[in-house]
Amino acid sequence: EDQVTQSPEALRLQEGESSSLNCSYTVSGLRGLFWYRQDPGKGPEFLFTLYSAGEEKEKERLKATLTKKESFLHITAPKPEDSATYLCAVDTGTASKLTFGTGTRLQVTL
Amino acid sequence: NAGVTQTPKFRVLKTGQSMTLLCAQDMNHEYMYWYRQDPGMGLRLIHYSVGEGTTAKGEVPDGYNVSRLKKQNFLLGLESAAPSQTSVYFCASRRNLKTGNTEAFFGQGTRLTVV
Repeated sequence: EDQVTQSPEALRLQEGESSSLNCSYTVSGLRGLFWYRQDPGKGPEFLFTLYSAGEEKEKERLKATLTKKESFLHITAPKPEDSATYLCAVDTGTASKLTFGTGTRLQVTL
Repeated sequence: NAGVTQTPKFRVLKTGQSMTLLCAQDMNHEYMYWYRQDPGMGLRLIHYSVGEGTTAKGEVPDGYNVSRLKKQNFLLGLESAAPSQTSVYFCASRRNLKTGNTEAFFGQGTRLTVV
């Protein structure tokens, strides 16, 4: 059974304090790993797709990386507007389903 | 450019009542999904569809039924609502994988309370 575990559950940072969120996975065959951002009361919003170990993607203050067992979402010099829940999901090609982790709730304070 | 639209946004049901949640997408996507999101549980797949006229069970299908009569619409039905079905429901759609760009697009959610 595919499993996705995200850590930490919650993270509080001061503005400008860089950190990383972790997504570890156990799957039979990875076809893609996805990062989403979710604001309170909203649906998840797509950030990145990673397909193979060693791949990296960047967008503003966010950088996603992928190894054979885990992915990291690095947040550099975060701002309060980066506060959200970050979700990780894997696609193993089993009927095109996405399996999600429980998310990391990030709060960035001034 | 609407994307994925869910109706209604909020609903309160009494135990035993029935209702249908509607999801509509205007991106011509083949795949559509219904998830529920509960505190500490993440997004769990209820049912999904890989094309018009097809449906399949996900991780937590009990108590729900779905239909995909038209490619752009995916309906989620609760025949006899139970308090355990109190949740936030999200619909999502994805393009056919053979054409690339496999991210899923989500609707804004339906907050359902069963009393």
